[in-house]
Amino acid sequence: AQSVTQPDIHITVSEGASLELRCNYSYGATPYLFWYVQSPGQGLQLLLKYFSGDTLVQGIKGFEAEFKRSQSSFNLRKPSVHWSDAAEYFCAVGLNMEYGNKLVFGAGTILRVKS
Amino acid sequence: DGGITQSPKYLFRKEGQNVTLSCEQNLNHDAMYWYRQDPGQGLRLIYYSQIVNDFQKGDIAEGYSVSREKKESFPLTVTSAQKNPTAFYLCASSRRADSGNTIYFGEGSWLTVV
Repeated sequence: AQSVTQPDIHITVSEGASLELRCNYSYGATPYLFWYVQSPGQGLQLLLKYFSGDTLVQGIKGFEAEFKRSQSSFNLRKPSVHWSDAAEYFCAVGLNMEYGNKLVFGAGTILRVKS
Repeated sequence: DGGITQSPKYLFRKEGQNVTLSCEQNLNHDAMYWYRQDPGQGLRLIYYSQIVNDFQKGDIAEGYSVSREKKESFPLTVTSAQKNPTAFYLCASSRRADSGNTIYFGEGSWLTVV
């Protein structure tokens, strides 16, 4: 079955430090991959997505992600974290189904930023 | 502004009662979805619909029901058969039911059973 694994439940980084959030997926074909961010009690906002082509994808708020087929990974990175980046981050795989499409989500990684 | 509106934001329900969560979108999207979010489990798909008057069960449909009478509306009813309904519910939509299309989310509704 298709699945998405985010191995880190919590990550704490200092403001200004670099960030990498890990995501691994299990899917037979080349997947559609997404990263979403969620502030407490709010909906999800799309950060970036990968469909095909260049494996390094740029997103909003200075985030980027790299698709590595050999490692089945789609890690999210940011060179310098700001306090406002503290939130929960979800990696997701887009799947075609018989009657439409859906996202399969990882369990999420909570990012804490310390000053 | 275009977007997805969920209401109410907070809802309390007594055990044994049905409750309906509203979801309206003005994005002219064909597909709509309901997800449930529990701490540490990510989001799980309850129901989805790609056209009016048609919807399909997701991964955790038991105890829930939906309707899609209008393109812009996709209400979710949490029935008394749902054993553990306390959760954060997210409605979403996408332009077409294709895995390449971005799914956009509403702000969510908190349901608490008291």
